[in-house]
Amino acid sequence: DVKVTQSSRYLVKRTGEKVFLECVQDMDHENMFWYRQDPGLGLRLIYFSYDVKMKEKGDIPEGYSVSREKKERFSLILESASTNQTSMYLCASSSAGTGGQPQHFGDGTRLSIL
Amino acid sequence: AQKVTQAQTEISVVEKEDVTLDCVYETRDTTYYLFWYKQPPSGELVFLIRRNSFDEQNEISGRYSWNFQKSTSSFNFTITASQVVDSAVYFCALSGGNAGNMLTFGGGTRLMVKP
Repeated sequence: DVKVTQSSRYLVKRTGEKVFLECVQDMDHENMFWYRQDPGLGLRLIYFSYDVKMKEKGDIPEGYSVSREKKERFSLILESASTNQTSMYLCASSSAGTGGQPQHFGDGTRLSIL
Repeated sequence: AQKVTQAQTEISVVEKEDVTLDCVYETRDTTYYLFWYKQPPSGELVFLIRRNSFDEQNEISGRYSWNFQKSTSSFNFTITASQVVDSAVYFCALSGGNAGNMLTFGGGTRLMVKP
């Protein structure tokens, strides 16, 4: 069965800390995505990657970076966490090809920045 | 630019009622795909359905049905005889014919089904 695993369900960090959110998928998918979810705003794309070591900015990349050293793992990095980055973060993966491949999501990480 | 609008932010129904969740989209692509996802309280988004822009046939899966109308740019989702387990946030999403399968999501509709 399809599985996307995010390393933490809940995380509390302090302002200014460097924060790492990890995501692993076991489906050999080429594409991986990081979203943040805020009430009323739906899901907004932060970054995505279509191959190892490749990354593309999404709609709201400011304050974030990503790393994809292996196909199965996609990390989201908050370089210097701020309180406005308190949110739910969702990782997803999909197979390659033109649009239409459904994305499969992890359980999410609820991140609080104090 | 693509846009998905779910005008209903919250809907409350009593069990066994039918309920329709609205979704309106905007895109300039001639080939595109529409999706519905369910997010139960546990947090994981669950894929429900995908339609492509060339297939306007309605689809039924058990108590779920979807009505796709290109003329009104809508892709509405109906739950028949709702159950408490249907309580969740439902997202409509749109993908163009682009590589990378990027999705544009609506703001979501929170459905509460009361016993």
